[in-house]
Formats: sequence, structure tokens, C-alpha cells
Amino acid sequence: SQTIHQWPATLVQPVGSPLSLECTVEGTSNPNLYWYRQAAGRGLQLLFYSVGIGQISSEVPQNLSASRPQDRQFILSSKKLLLSDSGFYLCAWSRSGANTEAFFGQGTRLTVV
Amino acid sequence: DQQVKQNSPSLSVQEGRISILNCDYTNSMFDYFLWYKKYPAEGPTFLISISSIKDKNEDGRFTVFLNKSAKHLSLHIVPSQPGDSAVYFCAARPRTDSWGKLQFGAGTQVVVTP
Repeated sequence: SQTIHQWPATLVQPVGSPLSLECTVEGTSNPNLYWYRQAAGRGLQLLFYSVGIGQISSEVPQNLSASRPQDRQFILSSKKLLLSDSGFYLCAWSRSGANTEAFFGQGTRLTVV
Repeated sequence: DQQVKQNSPSLSVQEGRISILNCDYTNSMFDYFLWYKKYPAEGPTFLISISSIKDKNEDGRFTVFLNKSAKHLSLHIVPSQPGDSAVYFCAARPRTDSWGKLQFGAGTQVVVTP
């Protein structure tokens, strides 16, 4: 069966510090990978998606970047965090093809202070 | 531009009764719709989905209805149980998207009372 791991679960970082959140998927190959963010009281906003190694598409302009160094590894990064980067970050994967659901990791609560 | 809207931020329902969650969308290109359930500090879990070729899909206590002409879908939970207390997200994907990108509503907090 497929599993998705995302870490850390919580993170408190000072403004201006770097960020690295990691996500790995097991039990499948060539998944589509996604980073979403949930801001307080709002829905899930898609930040990045990837359909293959080294292929990253950004949905919204922001202070963050993403990378996919391996087929089942997806990393969310920032060189310098802003207060507005605080939120709940979720990694997800889906199979290629139409009408497939996305499966989410446990999420990372990031607080920038 | 919010293309998926859940206009009820919260819903309180008695245990054993029906929970009805509503979702409206504006993009006529959406052809696949999903419902997710989310507990605090956890990732959303997939509940049920429906494609635009259907108007109803049922899985156990969960039924999703799609009204394409009204651009409206709803999730029915019968009977409601205390463990159903969570935030429920409606999501949609356009037929033009090959990469599985989903657009989410803002969510509805469901509280099931004894």
C-alpha cells in the first residue's frame, strides 16, 4: 500500500531563517506531487505541483520554492522566512491520469516568529 | 477568485440525524468533484468523489449529489456519528487539467452532538 510521510509535524522559525520541509511517498512510482497551504479559516491553496523529477510548477507567486530531487521526494524551501509564511503546509500525491484523488500527508504547522 | 465555495462555515447536527453539506462552483470546466474530511493538526482524508457523468455516488453512510445545471454539489452523511465531527472540504478539478490539481472550498466545520 502507498504511504506518504511529511516532517516535521511542527516548526517554529524566526523571521529571516531558512526553511526545508520534506515529503516522501512510498509504494508507488512516478506520482504527481503537490504542496498545499492552509491559512487560518481558509481552504487549501495549491502552492506547487510536480509531475516528474526536476519538474516543478508554481501556482502562486511567493517566498517559497520547491524541488523534486528524486521520484518520490518533494521538498518545500525558503531562503528567508516571512511572518506571512506561517500556516499549515500539506504535501499530497496522486496517480497520473484522470479522476484520481489526492492523498495527503499529516501536515506541518509552521509558525514564523 | 474562489471558484469553489462552501458558504456555511459551520454545521451542528444531532447524533443519528442527517448532515447535509453544500458546495457551489463557478467554473463550468470542473468535471470531477471530491469531498475530504480533516481533523485538527492532520492532513485531509479522502471521503468520496463524483464525476460529472453521474449525479449521485454512494459509499456507506456518505452520498454525494451533483447538480450540474445549478453548479452545486452536496454531501449527505446518514446517520451522523460523533466521529464525523471534523472540517469537510469540497474540491474540484477541471477537465482541462491533466495533473490532478484540485481547487478547494474554505471548508465546513461539522459538530455532531449527542
